[in-house]
Parts: sequence; C-alpha cells; structure tokens
Amino acid sequence: DTAVSQTPKYLVTQMGNDKSIKCEQNLGHDTMYWYKQDSKKFLKIMFSYNNKELIINETVPNRFSPKSPDKAHLNLHINSLELGDSAVYFCASSRGETGSDTQYFGPGTRLTVL
Amino acid sequence: GNSVTQMEGPVTLSEEAFLTINCTYTATGYPSLFWYVQYPGEGLQLLLKATKADDKGSNKGFEATYRKETTSFHLEKGSVQVSDSAVYFCALRDTGFQKLVFGTGTRLLVSP
Repeated sequence: DTAVSQTPKYLVTQMGNDKSIKCEQNLGHDTMYWYKQDSKKFLKIMFSYNNKELIINETVPNRFSPKSPDKAHLNLHINSLELGDSAVYFCASSRGETGSDTQYFGPGTRLTVL
Repeated sequence: GNSVTQMEGPVTLSEEAFLTINCTYTATGYPSLFWYVQYPGEGLQLLLKATKADDKGSNKGFEATYRKETTSFHLEKGSVQVSDSAVYFCALRDTGFQKLVFGTGTRLLVSP
C-alpha cells in the first residue's frame, strides 16, 4: 500500500524523444506536485495541482506539460528531451494547500537523456 | 523571496557522536519548517516538522526547534547510528504558498 507511487523508476532515452512519467497517490489528497532534483541534489518545484487545477507553474520550459486526469494522478509529459533534463523527478502530494500540510514524496524517477 | 540555507556537507561522524546540522531561513510570512531525509537510492521522507515559533519537532531521536528570533531550525541528534547516513534537507512552506522551498541538502556519513 504505497502512498505515492511513480513509474517508471528509471528512464533512459535519447535526446529529442518524448516521454511521460506517471504518478499516483492513494492518500486521498487534493494537491499534487512535481519536483526536479539535479545532480547536486538541489530540489526545486516545477508544478502544483489542486483538485486537478494548475496552481503553481514555475519557470519550466513549455516542453514540460503536467496532466491531471483526476485528483489521484498527476503525470508529467516531456517533449523533445534535452541533455539538461537528466535529473531525478519526484512527485509529491499533500492534503491541502496550507503551509503546515505535510507533503509526501514518491520514490523518484531517474531520467537519463543520452 | 523565501529561501533556506543549510550547512555544506558532507558531515562525517563516528557512531554515537552528537549531530548538528544548521539551517536558517528567510521568509516573508509565518512559515512551517520541515526536515526531510533521503536515504541512498530512495525518495524523500518527512523526518519532522514545526508549524510555529518555539515548536519542537522530533522523530527517531532527531529534534529541531523553530527559533523565530534567529530564523533557524537546526537539526540535532544525541547519538547517531550508521543507519542515519543519508542526505538531510531543511525546507520551509510559507503562509499561503503551496510549494516547499528546500535547502541544498547536507550529506551525513556515519562510520562504525
């Protein structure tokens, strides 16, 4: 009974390809997120959705497009992959949007672009 | 803007040593503060949190106290174990904002 799950765990692909990463949470949370962790372990938010609506969209290239088919899922689609997209991508969820709500993270997807 | 500053690692300790990892923050409102831990090859896990000034978060022998006067949230443990080896992230979430702002992470290495 994994709380936040991501697939795939590892993704190796060529430059220029299009790929998707899926995220599902079974916690009944309303808010979901995507974070990017670079090679130096620095974590930065990319997107946030609340009740399937986009709430946060940081300065992320428009090659990245999140899609939330329902409250329990937030998928990340990446077009025209570039070398610099290589990173670990973490999905997270929280009950609500308030500052004290704990965010629960998935295990991460390590994307390697060759 | 909001930001979190952590001490640079790695922090290398022997088993049973005392641990302190410093964390200071800048925020415009009244943030909640968090420590997350990332074990090798795994995702982030919440270690502890504090939602208002003078609150102390604690879990698994780790503690951190929310100090508004010094804008700090230092992580401490009295006696570390080899299994505590991981990367520790300090983070804040400001009032009215959904996103977590993370520090750069501090790697802890504990040797037997």
